Amino acid sequence: DAGVIQSPRHEVTEMGQEVTLRCKPISGHNSLFWYRQTMMRGLELLIYFNNNVPIDDSGMPEDRFSAKMPNASFSTLKIQPSEPRDSAVYFCASSFELYYEQYFGPGTRLTVT
Amino acid sequence: LAKTTQPVSMDSYEGQEVNITCSHNNIATNDYITWYQQFPSQGPRFIIQGYKTKVTNEVASLFIPADRKSSTLSLPRVSLSDTAVYYCLFPSGGGADGLTFGKGTHLIIQP
Repeated sequence: DAGVIQSPRHEVTEMGQEVTLRCKPISGHNSLFWYRQTMMRGLELLIYFNNNVPIDDSGMPEDRFSAKMPNASFSTLKIQPSEPRDSAVYFCASSFELYYEQYFGPGTRLTVT
Repeated sequence: LAKTTQPVSMDSYEGQEVNITCSHNNIATNDYITWYQQFPSQGPRFIIQGYKTKVTNEVASLFIPADRKSSTLSLPRVSLSDTAVYYCLFPSGGGADGLTFGKGTHLIIQP
């Protein structure tokens, strides 16, 4: 298996623009997680899905953030409109079942200017 | 709340054994303890998981005492490439708290 795939790997955008991050989990994994990492706040859990259903989105910082998982092999995290404070590395991870070991993607480094 | 306590940072030298302890006073009966390693510019990577006593794999050992209120990750004969951040997690009965990584322990290995 290719592991968790994220795209793009790097994204530079201007404040106010819409940003869409994409994730393909490992085939057969039932749980998917979106994290954000910065030096100041560390690794933050934003939202997680189980069997394509969002379970907890309490970590999503604002209504500007939204996530979807239309099927078992694809998820998106959207920021609209983006702000400079959204600059961070965004990781997607998947696991066979909830609370099993997670496998992380390479991350998307987002810079909002 | 699945709260873990780890040292913020540790230093050691190549060839030494390094032990990182994580306290988890409110661990639930069925919880496993999982440790991850994160290198700069990469996502965390699963290292080892255990429930009680001792677990060993090709990378590390995990020691868990009988009361299970702490666990110790042991890295034998470390090298410079073991410099990374190490996190411990446990589900704590479910919920987002059990998926929260915390600050981890920044391990720095020197020549």
